[in-house]
Amino acid sequence: AQKITQTQPGMFVQEKEAVTLDCTYDTSDPSYGLFWYKQPSSGEMIFLIYQGSYDQQNATEGRYSLNFQKARKSANLVISASQLGDSAMYFCAMREGKRGSTLGRLYFGRGTQLTVWP
Amino acid sequence: NAGVTQTPKFQVLKTGQSMTLQCAQDMNHEYMSWYRQDPGMGLRLIHYSVGAGITDQGEVPNGYNVSRSTTEDFPLRLLSAAPSQTSVYFCASSSTRGSGANVLTFGAGSRLTVL
Repeated sequence: AQKITQTQPGMFVQEKEAVTLDCTYDTSDPSYGLFWYKQPSSGEMIFLIYQGSYDQQNATEGRYSLNFQKARKSANLVISASQLGDSAMYFCAMREGKRGSTLGRLYFGRGTQLTVWP
Repeated sequence: NAGVTQTPKFQVLKTGQSMTLQCAQDMNHEYMSWYRQDPGMGLRLIHYSVGAGITDQGEVPNGYNVSRSTTEDFPLRLLSAAPSQTSVYFCASSSTRGSGANVLTFGAGSRLTVL
């Protein structure tokens, strides 16, 4: 079974609108962390946001927020006020184990290609 | 600039040849890893290391070898290249402490083609 599932291969959004990228995860470990990364067409991987399984509030970083629904095992990325520069591939990832654990591997989803149009 | 440096950026090999992808980081990160990225597959973990002298296998280790003799360096060796190893390879590292724990810093990637 896949640890991380991203069901949207591609998403389109108009500039200045908000968009939600879906991510569901599968783990039986009570301690885990969820990450989102952005990969522009230039190919580099850019860290966006992190949510720990015990964090009480949803993580936010500027225009990025993570809609964490623990019971549903979902960790959707919300981008507010989309910009043309947000066009990229977005990956959701999960690490099992406590933060800082040296034993946890990072599992990636297959990604969602976001296109922002003017 | 501080970060993760991968070399080479591009490489073409013939089936059966061997080569080493180099990875170096200057952030004193304990954790280092190698991923491969294939279209539609996301990133898959090949090998990782939690410190000098300690390595372990990831999801797709076959055909690859690693060693970690220093904190800074984590080379990935292809023992006998096969066309199925055509991919983009990323080296990534992270601290295991503090607010940046487990947040991976990636290298720029290495595009490998095996003919």
